Amino acid sequence: NAGVTQTPKFQVLKTGQSMTLQCAQDMNHEYMSWYRQDPGMGLRLIHYSVGAGITDQGEVPNGYNVSRSTTEDFPLRLLSAAPSQTSVYFCASSYSGGISYEQYFGPGTRLTVT
Amino acid sequence: AQTVTQSQPEMSVQEAETVTLSCTYDTSESNYYLFWYKQPPSRQMILVIRQEAYKQQNATENRFSVNFQKAAKSFSLKISDSQLGDTAMYFCAFTNTGNQFYFGTGTSLTVIP
Repeated sequence: NAGVTQTPKFQVLKTGQSMTLQCAQDMNHEYMSWYRQDPGMGLRLIHYSVGAGITDQGEVPNGYNVSRSTTEDFPLRLLSAAPSQTSVYFCASSYSGGISYEQYFGPGTRLTVT
Repeated sequence: AQTVTQSQPEMSVQEAETVTLSCTYDTSESNYYLFWYKQPPSRQMILVIRQEAYKQQNATENRFSVNFQKAAKSFSLKISDSQLGDTAMYFCAFTNTGNQFYFGTGTSLTVIP
């Protein structure tokens, strides 16, 4: 199993550009989430999904869109990048039927918006 | 809303000594799960230990153990026999739904040789 994969690992964008951060998992997990990590602020939930076709907003959803057309994939879209979106982004997945809800994380994407 | 607080931004410990990282949380839920994650310089998030709120017994994983005080809403992590590889950022996390997790701001731990 590859676990949770994210691409790209690094990205530099100019203000106003759009891009999609890719996330995929091969563990057949129903739950998937996107977080951003900023210094001194821990991980904050952007969007999450409880299954294909079902998504919801987390704590900091503004400026981001998501969709979940398959169980495996959960892309995060930045429609018009802003410097405030400079951050490290993590995708995570977990099994809904588990008794402990352990989340498995991808390696992260470091995004810089200039 | 749930909140998780880590009041120690940075800590250090001598190699082979014991260190305790603090975490408090706020929730009105009665059943939930608590976690400690480790993030080394590689940036990868690694699960260290987890605790189910309905279990009174504190979780233990080798050199890592927790002190779970449900009434006080406290969930501290004790690392025994600290090793250089324990140097990392440590995050406390909470979930009651399994699909929404709340993280603390982290504690940066340095193990001194």
